[in-house]
Amino acid sequence: QVQLVESGGGVVQPGGSLRLSCAASGFTFSNYGMHWVRQAPGKGLEWVAFIRYDGINKFYADSVKGQITISRDNSKNTLYLQMNSLRAEDTAVYYCAKDGYQYDSCGYHENWGQGTLVTVSS
Amino acid sequence: QSALTQPRSVSGSPGQSVTISCTGTSSNVGGFDYVSWYQQYPGKAPKVMIYDVSKRPSGVPDRFSGSKSGNTASLTISGLQAEDEAEYYCCSYAGSYTWVFGGGTKLTVL
Repeated sequence: QVQLVESGGGVVQPGGSLRLSCAASGFTFSNYGMHWVRQAPGKGLEWVAFIRYDGINKFYADSVKGQITISRDNSKNTLYLQMNSLRAEDTAVYYCAKDGYQYDSCGYHENWGQGTLVTVSS
Repeated sequence: QSALTQPRSVSGSPGQSVTISCTGTSSNVGGFDYVSWYQQYPGKAPKVMIYDVSKRPSGVPDRFSGSKSGNTASLTISGLQAEDEAEYYCCSYAGSYTWVFGGGTKLTVL
């Protein structure tokens, strides 16, 4: 079955950087686009970034453009999120999610990891 | 990329039906047949309940149904059960490989 396991969250000072990872198993990782979605404490879901199956094309929410980089290593079945210049408002649980369609996507978030908490605080 | 508009809360008694609305614009909900709905319990990851406006993943009860009219999508839950009490989020494709979520709706089963 599909498993997505996020790691790399923690407490970071404002202005700091963090790299999140999402280890995938149970499906052909290289065939699917992948998303990052975040949820601030007590708030709703916010789509953050999407990377196509081949890793060539990457797309971001306006709120994180220039601050966050999504990447993937299909040989390691792993998705990444590099976050720089972190601010208090980036405090959230970060979920990775597998797209529902192979290769191309106008799709949906079919499977989710358990999330990893990022806290930006001095 | 403004969030889609959902009611903050809805409620219903066991056995009744409830409908949660999700209003966007012609740039998202109205422009694409790619609306999905997610159920989230406190402290848990979301789970997809409906995708592509009205398709139901395997394992999701047929009490859950989705529809769309113009810029508004809807999730209807019929035959309400206690375990349906959760937060529900809509999400729409917004073009150019971007997505937008709604603010979420708390469903209370009375």
